[in-house]
Amino acid sequence: EPEVTQTPSHQVTQMGQEVILRCVPISNHLYFYWYRQILGQKVEFLVSFYNNEISEKSEIFDDQFSVERPDGSNFTLKIRSTKLEDSAMYFCASSTSGGVADEQFFGPGTRLTVL
Amino acid sequence: GQNIDQPTEMTATEGAIVQINCTYQTSGFNGLFWYQQHAGEAPTFLSYNVLDGLEEKGRFSSFLSRSKGYSYLLLKELQMKDSASYLCAPYSGGYQKVTFGIGTKLQVIP
Repeated sequence: EPEVTQTPSHQVTQMGQEVILRCVPISNHLYFYWYRQILGQKVEFLVSFYNNEISEKSEIFDDQFSVERPDGSNFTLKIRSTKLEDSAMYFCASSTSGGVADEQFFGPGTRLTVL
Repeated sequence: GQNIDQPTEMTATEGAIVQINCTYQTSGFNGLFWYQQHAGEAPTFLSYNVLDGLEEKGRFSSFLSRSKGYSYLLLKELQMKDSASYLCAPYSGGYQKVTFGIGTKLQVIP
């Protein structure tokens, strides 16, 4: 069964450093998302992406964040200068369509720890 | 904005039935998702309700009342593996931005 994959599973970084979280969505999916979940808190939407453009972003997704689909398979989230409060689990998700509600398939997540 | 209210924790016995309620207030509403999330894992899709009424899928059923801003997830024949958080998530349209509540942590005991 196709699945969303994410690498690395755990990333430790120093405050102020740049990190890139990688995701490989399901191959025939067209819509991609990033969510984050701070330990013990709810899953929060960050950004949705379609046709090589950001479709929607939340207040959390400020200038420190960017997303990219550098090739036909990868979807990345970059945090330019990490802060302590960026420590969270980051989930990538993908779906076949975005115009109507459709099941979003989540990856296993990358746990980011900022020291 | 969106406001989602569900109990933070519930405990139920293996083999029993449990109902997890969710009330919501949204600026726009297209439907409501329920996701299951085991500790340390990603959310997995359980159901999506658009119309009022009950939708059954195996041991899990989900109910929606749009006029009341209310939904519930019904789990039958509980198994130990059902111990997880259950996330109520109204969908307000657009590019599928799913807004999750804090979730209800269900503990199934023998």
